[in-house]
Amino acid sequence: QAVLTQPASLSASPGASASLTCTLRSGINVGTYRIYWYQQKPGSPPQYLLRYKSDSDKQQGSGVPSRFSGSKDASANAGILLISGLQSEDEADYYCMIWHSSASVYVFGTGTKVTVL
Amino acid sequence: EVQLVESGGGLVQPGRSLRLSCAASGFTFDDYAMHWVRQAPGKGLEWVSGISWNSGSIGYADSVKGRFTISRDNAKNSLYLQMNSLRAEDTALYYCAKDIGPYYYGSGSCLDYWGQGTLVTVSS
Repeated sequence: QAVLTQPASLSASPGASASLTCTLRSGINVGTYRIYWYQQKPGSPPQYLLRYKSDSDKQQGSGVPSRFSGSKDASANAGILLISGLQSEDEADYYCMIWHSSASVYVFGTGTKVTVL
Repeated sequence: EVQLVESGGGLVQPGRSLRLSCAASGFTFDDYAMHWVRQAPGKGLEWVSGISWNSGSIGYADSVKGRFTISRDNAKNSLYLQMNSLRAEDTALYYCAKDIGPYYYGSGSCLDYWGQGTLVTVSS
């Protein structure tokens, strides 16, 4: 089982909101982790979007619009990236990431491809 | 403006070696940790290695430990990745990435700027 699991794809209409989940493997408590989110468009390197641990511990990447925001669902042991007011330019792959302290490595999620219909 | 330019990729036979370089500009290089991340064709991201600002702390993914060596030359604003005993599964686009802080590890670290990558293909 992957450390961080993301749905392979998500489709939504322009102007709608999209909620991308990043589920942590059982035994890894989402509450103790800062979760980082990246956007990768075809042919380009990833771009840092934001970090979220709690409402008092969060950071927006430089120049990242406020319609990108983070949260958590403790009951699902998951981090969430919310994209409000979807635009065609938001079509991309999105990856979550954590510093997996017990293994002393960074771990990326499996990635979600977002399509704006 | 932060710029990271990777070089050194190419086609190499299994078992051979390759050295990647990353030239950094637009920031004070020796204030920040640096990383290598790779992406196999059509696949997701995999963290490969990280190095703290003064080379005092270094880490590797299990998949490359013992085969790859990360290093940096702060006088030259450059990051390196020496890759030995290459395997077909090492085929990927290798990205150089800057950290937001001086140490590569810990929940406060994060990869905030990335280069365009250099492609490594391991094949006979």
